[in-house]
Amino acid sequence: KAGVTQTPRYLIKTRGQQVTLSCSPISGHRSVSWYQQTPGQGLQFLFEYFSETQRNKGNFPGRFSGRQFSNSRSEMNVSTLELGDSALYLCASSWTGSYTDTQYFGPGTRLTVL
Amino acid sequence: QKEVEQNSGPLSVPEGAIASLNCTYSDRGSQSFFWYRQYSGKSPELIMSIYSNGDKEDGRFTAQLNKASQYVSLLIRDSQPSDSATYLCAVNMNNQGGKLIFGQGTELSVKP
Repeated sequence: KAGVTQTPRYLIKTRGQQVTLSCSPISGHRSVSWYQQTPGQGLQFLFEYFSETQRNKGNFPGRFSGRQFSNSRSEMNVSTLELGDSALYLCASSWTGSYTDTQYFGPGTRLTVL
Repeated sequence: QKEVEQNSGPLSVPEGAIASLNCTYSDRGSQSFFWYRQYSGKSPELIMSIYSNGDKEDGRFTAQLNKASQYVSLLIRDSQPSDSATYLCAVNMNNQGGKLIFGQGTELSVKP
């Protein structure tokens, strides 16, 4: 079974631009969670989508948004990029997002903001 | 107080020794706990999950959970150089299923 895929793998943007990242979950998984990883803050939860609905949200500004499609694929968008948005963005999928479900991570998208 | 705390390390152990990694969490109502391993430049991969008090063993790995003390640990027996990585403790708090809270990670180095 194919794992979680994320595109693109690497991205370079300039301040003020916006960016869209994509995540395809493992086949059959309906929950997709997004995380931001930086050396200073570690892995931080952004949001989770299940059945096209945002079910949980972390403490990030409104510039960070996401959505999920009917095939469970998910996208996240960051508008008005800031230097501090440079990070590894990871998505993880699980069957239903229940508290016993294992989350499987994709390879990540490395975003650099100049 | 951070929600999930780990010793940042680095923790250095000789090959063949037992590595002990510790994690404490703040939400007494937390129900599920996970240990992930992350190699440099790679994404996290699950090692163990544990939901009940006590020990859970899987090969060379043993996870221990003590909900009364809000403490979870990971023991790695017969440590190998290939175990050198950052180990992340993750907690599902308030039964918010798809939301994991991660500790800062402990960097483990196994010396041949």
